[in-house]
Amino acid sequence: DAKTTQPTSMDCAEGRAANLPCNHSTISGNEYVYWYRQIHSQGPQYIIHGLKNNETNEMASLIITEDRKSSTLILPHATLRDTAVYYCIVRVAYGNKLVFGAGTILRVKS
Amino acid sequence: NAGVTQTPKFRILKIGQSMTLQCAQDMNHNYMYWYRQDPGMGLKLIYYSVGAGITDKGEVPNGYNVSRSTTEDFPLRLELAAPSQTSVYFCASSYSDRTNTEAFFGQGTRLTVV
Repeated sequence: DAKTTQPTSMDCAEGRAANLPCNHSTISGNEYVYWYRQIHSQGPQYIIHGLKNNETNEMASLIITEDRKSSTLILPHATLRDTAVYYCIVRVAYGNKLVFGAGTILRVKS
Repeated sequence: NAGVTQTPKFRILKIGQSMTLQCAQDMNHNYMYWYRQDPGMGLKLIYYSVGAGITDKGEVPNGYNVSRSTTEDFPLRLELAAPSQTSVYFCASSYSDRTNTEAFFGQGTRLTVV
């Protein structure tokens, strides 16, 4: 599975959009981009995933560049409860491994 | 559905003791995983399984063993506990098919080896 690079930490004002970038320049054509988050040492929680089209669900939006070498997770109206570590993972379809990197610490401030 | 259930939630072991961390899922997922997370660090994959009877090593398998005799259960065995195994352990499961679904995690087992 391709390696990902994320900023170590980011701050966001409450109520504003949080944009979390992820670089995956070695991504292969059959690899998906997944986002998870981990709040306060709980078990990680799935957020969203995509292959090449932009995706949106009730939690977030995922924007994948046309060359698929990077992506951005968007939390449209961040709240204090969105403070967490956000992990970007690249994984093949039918992939048997799920390997986490260091992630981005997002701090939402009032 | 209970999802992914881990037991116990907390445990203190003495050096050299053995124990089994239990993990059960009721979602009929074929893939299951064990991770450890040291304080302030990310998750490291210990072992994973793609189905009953099949297991494989992850990033940090030394000092651990697993078995997968049923779809539902994926226990993690520590044979000779060492202080370096003090960590939070997470179990996860997923059902990978063409829709490539997400993984669900348990709430973790906090293990201290003294």
